[in-house]
Amino acid sequence: EVQLVESGGGLVQPGGSLRLSCAASGFIVSSNSMTWVRQAPGKGLEWVSLIYSDGTTFYADSVKGRFTISRHSSKNTLYLQMTSLRTEDTAVYYCARDLSGLTDWGQGTLVTVSS
Amino acid sequence: DIQMTQSPSTLSASVGDRVTITCRASQSIRSWLAWYQQKPGEAPKLLIYKASNLESGVPSRFSGSGSGTEFTLTISSLQPDDFATYYCQQYNAYPYTFGRGTKLEIK
Repeated sequence: EVQLVESGGGLVQPGGSLRLSCAASGFIVSSNSMTWVRQAPGKGLEWVSLIYSDGTTFYADSVKGRFTISRHSSKNTLYLQMTSLRTEDTAVYYCARDLSGLTDWGQGTLVTVSS
Repeated sequence: DIQMTQSPSTLSASVGDRVTITCRASQSIRSWLAWYQQKPGEAPKLLIYKASNLESGVPSRFSGSGSGTEFTLTISSLQPDDFATYYCQQYNAYPYTFGRGTKLEIK
């Protein structure tokens, strides 16, 4: 059974950093395309970043230069390193497996950027 | 960036109704479009991929159509479990983008 479990969210001050983790089971993270999507409170979905199995990465303009997507093969885990956080980064962050559409999702982890 | 425009933003309907949600892309995305359903407090769920392909386990009352810039999601006979918010997403070009959502409410 495929499962994705995010962690690492919390309260951080503007300008701060946070690293989100997404632990996967039931499939191999490094053999798949993986994506981060976020959802601000009461708002719609926003695509954030993607990493291909070959390591190629892409980012939304809103996070480019501040966020870094990566993975750890032996831990079968996806990461999102977030720096220079802004209040507008406040959202639930979801990781998802990308198989022509986002087929499997985690439950999300809440990041709150506030002073 | 490719803009995805969903309409309507809110839709009121009754159990048994046939409903259609439209998604328009600001430029051609061929057939690289997905539809998702999201209920409050839950992660989104994939319904349709590549414009018209039904994801495994999704009821056959859901269908998708379209190509290029205009797409539709149709629910043939609404069930109580279908009242939720629906999003389209293009994955033809980076950055991938979502529509702003259509909230399907009980009339």
